[in-house]
Amino acid sequence: KNQVEQSPQSLIILEGKNCTLQCNYTVSPFSNLRWYKQDTGRGPVSLTIMTFSENTKSNGRYTATLDADTKQSSLHITASQLSDSASYICVVSRDTGNQFYFGTGTSLTVIP
Amino acid sequence: DAGVTQSPTHLIKTRGQQVTLRCSPKSGHDTVSWYQQALGQGPQFIFQYYEEEERQRGNFPDRFSGHQFPNYSSELNVNALLLGDSALYLCASSPQRGSPAGELFFGEGSRLTVL
Repeated sequence: KNQVEQSPQSLIILEGKNCTLQCNYTVSPFSNLRWYKQDTGRGPVSLTIMTFSENTKSNGRYTATLDADTKQSSLHITASQLSDSASYICVVSRDTGNQFYFGTGTSLTVIP
Repeated sequence: DAGVTQSPTHLIKTRGQQVTLRCSPKSGHDTVSWYQQALGQGPQFIFQYYEEEERQRGNFPDRFSGHQFPNYSSELNVNALLLGDSALYLCASSPQRGSPAGELFFGEGSRLTVL
């Protein structure tokens, strides 16, 4: 069964601290994995997209890693800011075209 | 280059009514997918349209129907509204062919409240 699981479900960190979010998937055949940031009541915005051959990809303070062997990905946020408070969603697509599998997201709250 | 646009942004309906939500895909995209996102939950796949036909469908009742027009824009219709239909409805567009595979852009959503 094609599934995407994220952990933790929610996280609270102090401003300026780092954090890491996890995504495990069983989607096969794998095409790519995206991390999205979704502010409350808004549409998700793509942060990174990683294909099978990519291990690490950065977008500013966001760094995503992918281990295709263990089917795990992480999103590391450095020097967190209050504006990082949002839900982070992991989306995996199959190699057969337009099929996308969503995780339930991690709710991140950054407090001053 | 306009991204994915959705309308209306907010609307309020009462139980039993019908609603139509609209979506224009990103330029160059010909596939539109609709998602329902309840408060605090991840998006749930409703269906996907390509070449004016429903190609894939999630676990939603027949009260949820859609349409895609020749210009690739799409509508989501929900009949006989229930309180549980209150959610953020997201439209996402992607290219059926071309690269990069898996490109998926979201609109800002339509917030539906059913009273």
